[in-house]
Amino acid sequence: AQKITQTQPGMFVQEKEAVTLDCTYDTSDPSYGLFWYKQPSSGEMIFLIYQGSYDQQNATEGRYSLNFQKARKSANLVISASQLGDSAMYFCAMREPYTGNQFYFGTGTSLTVIP
Amino acid sequence: KAGVTQTPRYLIKTRGQQVTLSCSPISGHRSVSWYQQTPGQGLQFLFEYFSETQRNKGNFPGRFSGRQFSNSRSEMNVSTLELGDSALYLCASSLGTDGTDTQYFGPGTRLTVL
Repeated sequence: AQKITQTQPGMFVQEKEAVTLDCTYDTSDPSYGLFWYKQPSSGEMIFLIYQGSYDQQNATEGRYSLNFQKARKSANLVISASQLGDSAMYFCAMREPYTGNQFYFGTGTSLTVIP
Repeated sequence: KAGVTQTPRYLIKTRGQQVTLSCSPISGHRSVSWYQQTPGQGLQFLFEYFSETQRNKGNFPGRFSGRQFSNSRSEMNVSTLELGDSALYLCASSLGTDGTDTQYFGPGTRLTVL
């Protein structure tokens, strides 16, 4: 089974609008971390936001927030007030101690912001 | 703090050659992981080193190897290059102390095999 599933290969959003990128995960470990990364066309993976499995509140970092629904094993990224510079690939990832703290990445979602 | 650095940034090799890629982690980080990214296969985990020991390994042939030095710098070697090894190779570092610390990536080395 896939550890991380991102079902949206491509998304479009109007500039200044909000967009939600979906991510579901699969783990039996009670302790895990969830991460989102942004990869622009330059190739570098940029860390955006982190959510711990025991965190009671949803993580937020500026315009990024993580909609964490533990029972549904869902960790969606919400980008508010989209900007042209947000156009990139977005990867959801999970790290679990059970498998030696290895990172598992989804297949990514390509986001295009339309002016 | 300086970020993760990778050298070289671009590399062109021919089939059958070997290549060594280098990664310097963020100061204080003891874990270094390597990933291969291709349009067809996406992001694939190669291996992780922590305190000079390989801690995790992905599903790649033995032609792919790595090592980590006492200063946490890491090198990745690919021998007998094949056309399919053309990819972006990403290195990431983290503290490596528990399952929730964040990985930070370098800019990548873009390898082209002709």
